[in-house]
Amino acid sequence: GAVVSQHPSWVICKSGTSVKIECRSLDFQATTMFWYRQFPKQSLMLMATSNEGSKATYEQGVEKDKFLINHASLTLSTLTVTSAHPEDSSFYICSASGGVSAYNEQFFGPGTRLTVL
Amino acid sequence: AQSVTQLGSHVSVSEGALVLLRCNYSSSVPPYLFWYVQYPNQGLQLLLKYTSAATLVKGINGFEAEFKKSETSFHLTKPSAHMSDAAEYFCAVVGGGADGLTFGKGTHLIIQP
Repeated sequence: GAVVSQHPSWVICKSGTSVKIECRSLDFQATTMFWYRQFPKQSLMLMATSNEGSKATYEQGVEKDKFLINHASLTLSTLTVTSAHPEDSSFYICSASGGVSAYNEQFFGPGTRLTVL
Repeated sequence: AQSVTQLGSHVSVSEGALVLLRCNYSSSVPPYLFWYVQYPNQGLQLLLKYTSAATLVKGINGFEAEFKKSETSFHLTKPSAHMSDAAEYFCAVVGGGADGLTFGKGTHLIIQP
């Protein structure tokens, strides 16, 4: 299957700082990328959907000004957690799809564990 | 809105025994359904998917699932469990918001030696 990478795999930051997480599709062009959040021992919750060159579509309850998503190229999407707080600590997982519909298979990255002190 | 319910947050089976992980869905339209496996601190790997073709779907690692519309179910099975099957399993349906996946809460599969 297609390969999706995330960087960093884990990050620890101080409260109030911003953290950027990268999601890359290594061997295919990702028309659509999705960002999910997973709390310990819980399921994944969709945060936002981004299409290359367009503004991201955020799920209800997700603050767009806090979680900035940029999908500037067909192989890279970034999630920036601005002014991070301890409650933002979580496992963030991206997925990438070569199509514009969720009916196209999504390939998941390994995740980024964020800890905010 | 679409949703999935996974019965049993933890399932424990003996090595060599049948694995059965339950998933029921709710959907106003014909669903696309998926089973993913997640190993500790890793992303998700697709086991299999139902896309309205054959109702019995075969996936990787010996897993299969049967789509039953009358029961709104998509249970995952494997005839003989292996120690390497120990992981978290998620059932998912297309339709969360802007085409993202909606996941069930997950089932932690424990394999007893």
